[in-house]
Amino acid sequence: GQQLNQSPQSMFIQEGEDVSMNCTSSSIFNTWLWYKQDPGEGPVLLIALYKAGELTSNGRLTAQFGITRKDSFLNISASIPSDVGIYFCAGQLTDGGSQGNLIFGKGTKLSVKP
Amino acid sequence: NAGVMQNPRHLVRRRGQEARLRCSPMKGHSHVYWYRQLPEEGLKFMVYLQKENIIDESGMPKERFSAEFPKEGPSILRIQQVVRGDSAAYFCASSPGRGLYGYTFGSGTRLTVV
Repeated sequence: GQQLNQSPQSMFIQEGEDVSMNCTSSSIFNTWLWYKQDPGEGPVLLIALYKAGELTSNGRLTAQFGITRKDSFLNISASIPSDVGIYFCAGQLTDGGSQGNLIFGKGTKLSVKP
Repeated sequence: NAGVMQNPRHLVRRRGQEARLRCSPMKGHSHVYWYRQLPEEGLKFMVYLQKENIIDESGMPKERFSAEFPKEGPSILRIQQVVRGDSAAYFCASSPGRGLYGYTFGSGTRLTVV
């Protein structure tokens, strides 16, 4: 079945640092989504990408949809303590016979450097 | 404007009992997706429903699991004769259309089987 490889699995951040994470797939998607999940909550949509090569920003977050449609990255600039959480990439097919369900990566856990 | 409402937030069941998880979609949304999240994992698609119809149940275990979305009332995910391996967080998401623009997740139901 389709799988997404998300890296890194975890990382520690210091306030003010930039953070980068990415997702690769063996399959092509025509939508990439990035979600953040806080403990005990559901995922919250951060950025949605609909076209290969698209670069989209949402405040301090920037994400890109890879040209091959098989990868995406998310950058967080000047991190702050509330950025802590788990970030998930998700790929979606929205054409043909696809029902629009999402394939999720395993997540990147952001923690504060001790 | 309430978001996706799931209840209960936490559910404890003994092995062999039945678990019923409820999901009320956002107002105006007629498409509901159910996902399961095991600890330290991403979300995995289970089933996609529209009012009174199951559209895609390719992610549902073949036995003990069922889902419905009646004309009136919430969508229900039902797990019969629960086993320890069913312990997970179950998330519901709703969308105004099939797979449009990534959808809104509820806060989930955490099922613990003892």
